[in-house]
Amino acid sequence: DSGVTQTPKHLITATGQRVTLRCSPRSGDLSVYWYQQSLDQGLQFLIHYYNGEERAKGNILERFSAQQFPDLHSELNLSSLELGDSALYFCASSSNRDSLNTEAFFGQGTRLTVV
Amino acid sequence: QKEVEQDPGPLSVPEGAIVSLNCTYSNSAFQYFMWYRQYSRKGPELLMYTYSSGNKEDGRFTAQVDKSSKYISLFIRDSQPSDSATYLCAMSVGGFQKLVFGTGTRLLVSP
Repeated sequence: DSGVTQTPKHLITATGQRVTLRCSPRSGDLSVYWYQQSLDQGLQFLIHYYNGEERAKGNILERFSAQQFPDLHSELNLSSLELGDSALYFCASSSNRDSLNTEAFFGQGTRLTVV
Repeated sequence: QKEVEQDPGPLSVPEGAIVSLNCTYSNSAFQYFMWYRQYSRKGPELLMYTYSSGNKEDGRFTAQVDKSSKYISLFIRDSQPSDSATYLCAMSVGGFQKLVFGTGTRLLVSP
């Protein structure tokens, strides 16, 4: 167990809907990263938050947004869902801002299925 | 063309074999190189990471980085059925932030 908790584990929803994925980082970790894992693209970096502030963006669609709250948990919001958004969504956390030599630990993921 | 290329496999080997897993990449700015193991329905778990070129050994695992060829390898000695998983290479310009992953190689070790 990495100590990173993601809820829910599974989510099935219809096209056009909006969902919220939640991530609780390891105790004391200030950085949260979101990744999307699809069959054809593999794991792709979406966004990084450090202590409530957005630090970096990757290949995140405009329909997706994230935030990190004062208690350090993070939420990834996905709206106007399309079939192609079906994927595993992972969150990872690490203790510092730049994570140069500090491992980022991954959660178990949320499996999103859009029907 | 993807920044990181990795053969998806599956790679099937008998127990006790030496396994070689590889990735190639195109971005010469990458300085940090990682190998993750991912079991079915689980999150990636870090096996090894290396900064810049060279070799690193940890038990049955050896990671090699050849920056001149933009090629990284993971060797697993005395492979076990419990090593059956998907192995992901990952790399970055700066540590564990903004990792760029390969698509993963599925490894099957038969008893």
